[in-house]
Amino acid sequence: GDSVTQMEGPVTLSEEAFLTINCTYTATGYPSLFWYVQYPGEGLQLLLKATKADDKGSNKGFEATYRKETTSFHLEKGSVQVSDSAVYFCALSGGNMLTFGGGTRLMVKP
Amino acid sequence: SQTIHQWPATLVQPVGSPLSLECTVEGTSNPNLYWYRQAAGRGLQLLFYSVGIGQISSEVPQNLSASRPQDRQFILSSKKLLLSDSGFYLCAWSPDRDSNQPQHFGDGTRLSIL
Repeated sequence: GDSVTQMEGPVTLSEEAFLTINCTYTATGYPSLFWYVQYPGEGLQLLLKATKADDKGSNKGFEATYRKETTSFHLEKGSVQVSDSAVYFCALSGGNMLTFGGGTRLMVKP
Repeated sequence: SQTIHQWPATLVQPVGSPLSLECTVEGTSNPNLYWYRQAAGRGLQLLFYSVGIGQISSEVPQNLSASRPQDRQFILSSKKLLLSDSGFYLCAWSPDRDSNQPQHFGDGTRLSIL
């Protein structure tokens, strides 16, 4: 079946550092890929998405490129802020269902 | 635009008491609806999903049940809560018949069992 693997956290960075959170997947067919963000005490918010190979999703300075050859969808941001501290989930779609990774907690220190 | 509402935001219940959590969606029709549970510091566990009124699929056998009495209403229930039912419960929706669309989440209900 489908699966999503994310790097385990927590990831601790200083403000303005470069962020990469790795995400790889296994899936049949051609899923869409998503990154969600969960701030403390809140639900999940869709951060960005990509629907086909080589698509780049971007939002709020975050980017991720759908790489079919490496089955990856790594999340990047050039300069993180304290307000980016949250848990990030990678997910893929298939048959009205989403398969989520385990989540990666990001902590950004001033 | 579409919105999703969950209530209550927090709930403290004694062991053995009943539970009813409600979720409603506005601005769309015939959505797919989902209930997830998130244990502290953990990932998401899909509990139930529904593709239409009265149609409920359960992903994990447990102490909980779900119902969909109206097109845009999804209810999570229990007759007798267990300590292990504590957690953060999230409702989500996605458009019908479009399997590559994202799900959109409510703000969640934090349930504590004493």
